[in-house]
Amino acid sequence: VEMVESGGGVGQPGKSLRLSCVGSGFSFRTHGLHWVRQAPGKGLEWVALIPYDGSKTFYADSVKDRFTVSRDNSRNTLFLEMNRLRPEDTAVYYCAKEGGPYFFDNWGLGTLVTVSS
Amino acid sequence: EIVMTQSPAVLSASPGQRATLSCRASESISRNLAWYQQRPGQTPRLLIHAASTTAGGVPPRFSGSGSGTEFTLAISSLESEDFVVYYCQQYDKWPPVFGQGTKLEI
Repeated sequence: VEMVESGGGVGQPGKSLRLSCVGSGFSFRTHGLHWVRQAPGKGLEWVALIPYDGSKTFYADSVKDRFTVSRDNSRNTLFLEMNRLRPEDTAVYYCAKEGGPYFFDNWGLGTLVTVSS
Repeated sequence: EIVMTQSPAVLSASPGQRATLSCRASESISRNLAWYQQRPGQTPRLLIHAASTTAGGVPPRFSGSGSGTEFTLAISSLESEDFVVYYCQQYDKWPPVFGQGTKLEI
């Protein structure tokens, strides 16, 4: 199993960034996928979930109405559209595969998002 | 939202010793608890789910126990690579919530 994120970098407050995560080595279309973030020197914070079929999406209150999670099962790719960025969104963002409902058995290497003017 | 509290924040131990890390939930989460290990600069790794089920490839010196609100991760005989950070996470109630972590130091 491998999950590789991309798209991180420096974003200005109020602007947007789009993260991607490509999965391989497992049946991508049959697993729920999450984004989890970790601010520098801090703990882990769950961000968003999209079930296997993309039928619904779920968000942490801290990102609701600003972030959008989506997936393209034909390309084994997970996305996180991050709008109206805030400095407190600065973190390493991990995509994570569900090992069962709502716990994570495989994680990507992460991509760093820095929100700064 | 459930609050997960890990203790201690920092645990000092020596190689070969047994270590016990605690995780407490603010309300009952049955046995829907996972433990992760994170080495510096690395991605989290699943150690335990369902409170006591060891994930594939995890050495047998790691074990989990507990139910309801009190949980424990035990490492029976510490090796040098075990001195890193450990997180618990509840997945019984929405949203998933992590504890703040316990750093295991030599």
